[in-house]
Amino acid sequence: SQKIEQNSEALNIQEGKTATLTCNYTNYSPAYLQWYRQDPGRGPVFLLLIRENEKEKRKERLKVTFDTTLKQSLFHITASQPADSATYLCALDVLEYGNKLVFGAGTILRVKS
Amino acid sequence: DAGITQSPRHKVTETGTPVTLRCHQTENHRYMYWYRQDPGHGLRLIHYSYGVKDTDKGEVSDGYSVSRSKTEDFLLTLESATSSQTSVYFCAISEDRDRGRGYTFGSGTRLTVV
Repeated sequence: SQKIEQNSEALNIQEGKTATLTCNYTNYSPAYLQWYRQDPGRGPVFLLLIRENEKEKRKERLKVTFDTTLKQSLFHITASQPADSATYLCALDVLEYGNKLVFGAGTILRVKS
Repeated sequence: DAGITQSPRHKVTETGTPVTLRCHQTENHRYMYWYRQDPGHGLRLIHYSYGVKDTDKGEVSDGYSVSRSKTEDFLLTLESATSSQTSVYFCAISEDRDRGRGYTFGSGTRLTVV
């Protein structure tokens, strides 16, 4: 069966450290992979998109890697701040599903000062 | 959220009653989506639209119908609400994926079926 797996346990880190979140998938062949941030009571907010032929994408303190052989994406936040505390969602854009995204359940990140 | 609004924000309804949720966009985007979000399940696609009067089913479409008579509006209807449809419903819009931009989500509708 097709699955997208993100760490179900919350990730707790100290302010200033690098947070690394993992997204693993099985039985999908995504053309794109996206990361979103979601705060309590709000809708998800788009952060980054990476294409299948790209290994890495950066935006300010954010970095995403995409390994289609391992079927894994890593999402890094460097110099983390308490304001980065949120749930982070991974989503796959799969060609055979048309222009639709399939989401993982998300990982809660807590950054402590 | 800029360019997309959902109404109502909260609703409590009784089992067996019909419910309609509205999504309105001002971005003129072609694609619109309805997702539900439940603890442990993440976001699951209910229905989506790729143009006026063009809609299709998603992963969890049973018990739901949609309509899109105008580019800017996408309605989600629960024909006869059940307790299992208690959830947070999100609408989203998108352009063609090749533009490199993700989805824009609304703020959600929290629906409780009692």
